Amino acid sequence: DIVLTQSPASLAVSLGQRATISCRASESVDSYGNSFMHWYQQKPGQPPKLLIYRASNLESGIPARFSGSGSRTDFTLTINPVEADDVATYYCQQSNEDPFTFGSGTKLEIK
Amino acid sequence: QVQLQQSGAELARPGASVKMSCKASGYTFTSYTMHWVKQRPGQGLEWIGYINPSSGYTNYNQKFKDKATLTADKSSSTAYMQLSSLTSEDSAVYYCARDGNYVGFAYWGQGTLVTVSA
Repeated sequence: DIVLTQSPASLAVSLGQRATISCRASESVDSYGNSFMHWYQQKPGQPPKLLIYRASNLESGIPARFSGSGSRTDFTLTINPVEADDVATYYCQQSNEDPFTFGSGTKLEIK
Repeated sequence: QVQLQQSGAELARPGASVKMSCKASGYTFTSYTMHWVKQRPGQGLEWIGYINPSSGYTNYNQKFKDKATLTADKSSSTAYMQLSSLTSEDSAVYYCARDGNYVGFAYWGQGTLVTVSA
């Protein structure tokens, strides 16, 4: 199974500043010229919401403050600038290989 | 608009089975695979598997192969997941989520809470 290691486990960022979350895969999640890494935001009591698909593509309706980058085994989710509504847990997920696996999550708080 | 409406919370005894549903609307049910994801209280997300509603083909995470059974009814655009031989480890929220052909899970149900207790 592909293991996704997210870091940090939690972070506190001031409003208007940048938040950076890392996701490292135990093996490449690239195939056919695409990186099958996706990012989700989850707030308490709600299902996850897709933010970024295939590493860097912004899902429809998601603010441009969110961006993704990376390839093969190293990926980053950036939120800039952070707003109060961004308080949530963020997960990466790979769909390059069964079983589809998720990272352990990064909890974002406001400093 | 795409909607996935899941069935209500379940309370089950250890050793019993539960079957939950996920009714899809707003798109052609047979055109997309339906995935199921587990989330234990305060924990992360685990992928259980998926079903292709058109063919009935299923693909399970080996961890859930003897625990979950996925089915789909094309006539009612509803996907089902049955969990068997329940233990306290199965107490969790279970989500259905629609795949978009390897572009992540853009659509999720609201979740079904399963509580296993004697």
